Amino acid sequence: DQQVKQNSPSLSVQEGRISILNCDYTNSMFDYFLWYKKYPAEGPTFLISISSIKDKNEDGRFTVFLNKSAKHLSLHIVPSQPGDSAVYFCAASEDRGGTSYGKLTFGQGTILTVHP
Amino acid sequence: GAGVSQTPSNKVTEKGKYVELRCDPISGHTALYWYRQSLGQGPEFLIYFQGTGAADDSGLPNDRFFAVRPEGSVSTLKIQRTERGDSAVYLCASSSRTSETQYFGPGTRLTVL
Repeated sequence: DQQVKQNSPSLSVQEGRISILNCDYTNSMFDYFLWYKKYPAEGPTFLISISSIKDKNEDGRFTVFLNKSAKHLSLHIVPSQPGDSAVYFCAASEDRGGTSYGKLTFGQGTILTVHP
Repeated sequence: GAGVSQTPSNKVTEKGKYVELRCDPISGHTALYWYRQSLGQGPEFLIYFQGTGAADDSGLPNDRFFAVRPEGSVSTLKIQRTERGDSAVYLCASSSRTSETQYFGPGTRLTVL
């Protein structure tokens, strides 16, 4: 049962254009969402997060949008740069008050390639 | 400062053998997490510690897998009677508290022949 899904295995974008990575989830108990970026032979690196009480969070070139009713979130990168080429993982966790809060559930990842 | 470190970076073993994977968290981080990443998949949660105790071990696949964190710092993931299906990258992460951002190490690639 895949509770977090990234349906696009790969995305190719021209440098300077916008990259949009999508993520869907099924567990209505998820209330905190994160995006991680991973280069080969390295561990995932935290990019940006959003709490379920918000619908948008922005940090520099990176913006995450959350649509709770659709159980959908997206990561926008603008402008895209060749150094952004990596695997991007969407992750989610449940209610902060519960003991399961530390557990992140990840999607399968999307390989982003930004062409010069 | 130093990030999360994991040793060894690569481990090749034979089916049926016992292995130990080590994780050194960021200094001062009280929460520590283990995940497993198979090829083409996202990381899959195994267990997390708050201090010395396992707060959630619901992701451990079976009783061949065990993890300890005796002094609340370094953690060891132990796998008994390894099987070929255990081959994966084992990732460790730590955070200053359970509610804070998790920082990942580079992982240990385990190959069971």
